[in-house]
Amino acid sequence: AQSVSQHNHHVILSEAASLELGCNYSYGGTVNLFWYVQYPGQHLQLLLKYFSGDPLVKGIKGFEAEFIKSKFSFNLRKPSVQWSDTAEYFCAVRVKTSYDKVIFGPGTSLSVIP
Amino acid sequence: KAGVTQTPRYLIKTRGQQVTLSCSPISGHRSVSWYQQTPGQGLQFLFEYFSETQRNKGNFPGRFSGRQFSNSRSEMNVSTLELGDSALYLCASSSPAGAGANVLTFGAGSRLTVL
Repeated sequence: AQSVSQHNHHVILSEAASLELGCNYSYGGTVNLFWYVQYPGQHLQLLLKYFSGDPLVKGIKGFEAEFIKSKFSFNLRKPSVQWSDTAEYFCAVRVKTSYDKVIFGPGTSLSVIP
Repeated sequence: KAGVTQTPRYLIKTRGQQVTLSCSPISGHRSVSWYQQTPGQGLQFLFEYFSETQRNKGNFPGRFSGRQFSNSRSEMNVSTLELGDSALYLCASSSPAGAGANVLTFGAGSRLTVL
């Protein structure tokens, strides 16, 4: 069965520290990859996506992610976090079978300390 | 453009009861997906509908069901509620084409508490 794993359950960083959140998926076929973010009290929203082309994708608020096909990974990075980045981050994979669906990882809670 | 609307936002039920949740997708979106979100479990996929047809189903018992109407609005039903069904139920819609194709847009969710 397809699955998505995220390396960390809870990450605590100080402002200006660099961030890397790991994501791995288990599916050998063609996939679309996503990172979603859920700020406190807000809807889940798209942070960035990868469909094809350049494996380094940039999203909103200075986030970027790199797709490494050989490692089945799609890690999220930000060089300098802010207090406002405190949120829950979800990696997701859309499996492109004849009937596709989006599978989410368990999420990583990020707390940024001012 | 209105977003994804879910009703009710909050509800409390007791064990054994049933509940129906509603989702109105973004205008023009024909795909609607449902997820169950609980602390520590993340988002668990329930089912996905497209043009009134269930295309995908997650690993939930038959107590969980859904349907989609001709106007793309969707409902999900949970019968014989159990304490473990307490969760935030999220609906998301998407479109296969156009700007934002194949990207899920989520609603605010329906928070179900089972006592």
